[in-house]
Amino acid sequence: GAGVSQSPSNKVTEKGKDVELRCDPISGHTALYWYRQSLGQGLEFLIYFQGNSAPDKSGLPSDRFSAERTGGSVSTLTIQRTQQEDSAVYLCASSLWTENTEAFFGQGTRLTVV
Amino acid sequence: AQSVTQPDIHITVSEGASLELRCNYSYGATPYLFWYVQSPGQGLQLLLKYFSGDTLVQGIKGFEAEFKRSQSSFNLRKPSVHWSDAAEYFCAVARQAGTALIFGKGTTLSVSS
Repeated sequence: GAGVSQSPSNKVTEKGKDVELRCDPISGHTALYWYRQSLGQGLEFLIYFQGNSAPDKSGLPSDRFSAERTGGSVSTLTIQRTQQEDSAVYLCASSLWTENTEAFFGQGTRLTVV
Repeated sequence: AQSVTQPDIHITVSEGASLELRCNYSYGATPYLFWYVQSPGQGLQLLLKYFSGDTLVQGIKGFEAEFKRSQSSFNLRKPSVHWSDAAEYFCAVARQAGTALIFGKGTTLSVSS
């Protein structure tokens, strides 16, 4: 596609359930990022994939959060046993990550835990 | 740990007045620096970026930013603000190519008439 695609755009889930959020990056982009955006908290870095390198998981807030990237393309962010504090907009971005490149963002998935 | 600080949470500027949004980072080397804008209900859009070379960089929508190594700053400026500039602005830093992009908490810009 022309841009970064995220699905679903909105997700309402019950506390304690698991959720999966999907990101389709721009074709050919080697780098993929996940962020969480909560009111007043800016963009909180979660995880970063770059090519075949081991992902940078330093931003994952707890072991309930995990992500994978299959075939160097599509990525899935999984949140297990969701809590109300997980409610936020989850943003995905991709880039070539060579000199003079930028990260392109998707529209995000708004997750509401009730 | 690498961090990005945007000291101003909310700024209000009169239409036509000049604007400066501050950004400081805590990393010794010259990182990769970015400013993004997020308008209400819109996605994040890149305004400008600095990797090396001339420390004053021009971006879209009439914005510019200046990298000051001695101050570890990368402040965003615009000479004359338009009402359509009201949005949230994020400074972002990557230690080097191939590393994670870290964002500040953002500055909300309001424009008064």
